[in-house]
Amino acid sequence: DQQVKQNSPSLSVQEGRISILNCDYTNSMFDYFLWYKKYPAEGPTFLISISSIKDKNEDGRFTVFLNKSAKHLSLHIVPSQPGDSAVYFCAAATQGGSEKLVFGKGTKLTVNP
Amino acid sequence: DAGITQSPRHKVTETGTPVTLRCHQTENHRYMYWYRQDPGHGLRLIHYSYGVKDTDKGEVSDGYSVSRSKTEDFLLTLESATSSQTSVYFCAISGTGIHPSYEQYFGPGTRLTVT
Repeated sequence: DQQVKQNSPSLSVQEGRISILNCDYTNSMFDYFLWYKKYPAEGPTFLISISSIKDKNEDGRFTVFLNKSAKHLSLHIVPSQPGDSAVYFCAAATQGGSEKLVFGKGTKLTVNP
Repeated sequence: DAGITQSPRHKVTETGTPVTLRCHQTENHRYMYWYRQDPGHGLRLIHYSYGVKDTDKGEVSDGYSVSRSKTEDFLLTLESATSSQTSVYFCAISGTGIHPSYEQYFGPGTRLTVT
């Protein structure tokens, strides 16, 4: 059973507009969430994270929002750039647990010039 | 750059042959992980290590074994490769004591093809 779900396999947006990538989770024990970005033929790179004690974390053009009651998080990219075209993975962890991450299946973002 | 390398980067092997993939880190991270990435499945954990000689299974560990005899090296072995093990394999590390240990940093990957 998938504990972390990214229900949109792909997303296409216009350069300069906002990209919103969504992630849902089912395990209420998760209390730390991360987003990774992956280009073809490269390893995933850590992008941004959020602890469950917060509902928002911002880093430049990237903002992650967490809605604990809905077990939902989203990644906002504003403004979107062609270089943001990549696969984005949502991941979740339980702090103080076994240091393992559970990943979603990923969303492929395409930013069109 | 977290100082993590994987070798080989590409490998083609035949069904039934043993294969060992190597992950090497220079950052003295405590935790090391092996994942496989397949279309439609995202990243799935195969095995992980929480210290020298301390390892545990992930969600897709069948057909794989690991060893960690030194902090810097984590080996993944396919004892008898099968076509279902054709995949891209990623090593990851975490646990510097500075960043939260659940922030994992990934190597460049090894593309393995089993014919």
